[in-house]
Amino acid sequence: AQSVTQPDIHITVSEGASLELRCNYSYGATPYLFWYVQSPGQGLQLLLKYFSGDTLVQGIKGFEAEFKRSQSSFNLRKPSVHWSDAAEYFCAVAPTSGTYKYIFGTGTRLKVLA
Amino acid sequence: GAGVSQSPSNKVTEKGKDVELRCDPISGHTALYWYRQSLGQGLEFLIYFQGNSAPDKSGLPSDRFSAERTGGSVSTLTIQRTQQEDSAVYLCASSPSSDTQYFGPGTRLTVL
Repeated sequence: AQSVTQPDIHITVSEGASLELRCNYSYGATPYLFWYVQSPGQGLQLLLKYFSGDTLVQGIKGFEAEFKRSQSSFNLRKPSVHWSDAAEYFCAVAPTSGTYKYIFGTGTRLKVLA
Repeated sequence: GAGVSQSPSNKVTEKGKDVELRCDPISGHTALYWYRQSLGQGLEFLIYFQGNSAPDKSGLPSDRFSAERTGGSVSTLTIQRTQQEDSAVYLCASSPSSDTQYFGPGTRLTVL
């Protein structure tokens, strides 16, 4: 079955530290891959996406993600975390044709210590 | 430009009542999706509209849930005879008939 796993439910980092959020997927073929961020009481904001080509993608707010086909992973990274990055982060996959309906991971809640 | 809007932002209702949740997609977006975000269960797909095609209703959890999209724009998600397990945040997203979905702020539904 198609699935997305975000193994870390909560992550706490200090401001200025580096960050890596993990995402693994199970899919029949390489899907489209997305990272979204949700601040409290807000909708989901797209951080970045991977469709094809360069496996390292840059997004907004200084985030990047690397697609590794051999590991079925699409981990999100940021070299230096800001207090405003505290939020919940969702990885999602979608088929490359058809309805494009997303399959979401369960999310990782990021806490940033001052 | 204007993003996806949803109303109401919060809805409190009594068990057994019907509720309607509204979504205004981004102008020109032909695809519209509804998702449900439940505590401890993540986000789940409910229904998908694309242009004039028949909607993909495969994610609707029961026949108490229905949705329509009038004129290819505004969508309404209706939940009949609400149950406490329907309490969740309902998110709408629209897409320009491609791949990337843009989400609204959601409607938080509380069923007492």
